[in-house]
Amino acid sequence: GESVGLHLPTLSVQEGDNSIINCAYSNSASDYFIWYKQESGKGPQFIIDIRSNMDKRQGQRVTVLLNKTVKHLSLQIAATQPGDSAVYFCAENDNTNAGKSTFGDGTTLTVKP
Amino acid sequence: DAGVIQSPRHEVTEMGQEVTLRCKPISGHNSLFWYRQTMMRGLELLIYFNNNVPIDDSGMPEDRFSAKMPNASFSTLKIQPSEPRDSAVYFCASRTYRDGSYEQYFGPGTRLTVT
Repeated sequence: GESVGLHLPTLSVQEGDNSIINCAYSNSASDYFIWYKQESGKGPQFIIDIRSNMDKRQGQRVTVLLNKTVKHLSLQIAATQPGDSAVYFCAENDNTNAGKSTFGDGTTLTVKP
Repeated sequence: DAGVIQSPRHEVTEMGQEVTLRCKPISGHNSLFWYRQTMMRGLELLIYFNNNVPIDDSGMPEDRFSAKMPNASFSTLKIQPSEPRDSAVYFCASRTYRDGSYEQYFGPGTRLTVT
């Protein structure tokens, strides 16, 4: 029978390749965005964030791009490793309620060795 | 640092019973969040506290759910009476502001099954 629930986008990449995970956000007032990684059986883990006055921010092996015009966020992972396999969530915050993050549905990344 | 501590890690209970989930945030973090994660609805914010004060509980499903934070090092989420649709993984997270970033640290979660 059919499964019910969220149908998470999936991305499968070869070890060593670069990965790009996309996220569309809904609130045009959102001014702070965060990417989280969730491994099986664990809680989400902060990866990187970006404020709306920036369009790019780089971390270690990760880069977040923000396009406010189309309300789009992406996470780029360089030289993807098997340990990067997880579900990735974007979250948005707006300044009027800075504590409240609204999470996207998530993307499942699978890295093939 | 031990990170955010949640207990129990797993809870199986019968419908109608009271369930209490516990959380110890990271010392020094002044914000605490309770989330629920299910396959149907994803990750949902239930309630969050700043400096032990509830700020936004609009995500709490109904009156059967209540949360308290009596001090900076402890919070509880209570469900009374529990129902099968409450089955989910419940996460607690604490947050600090560092180097311009609001970093939330999630606990390992409590997997609740209500039969």
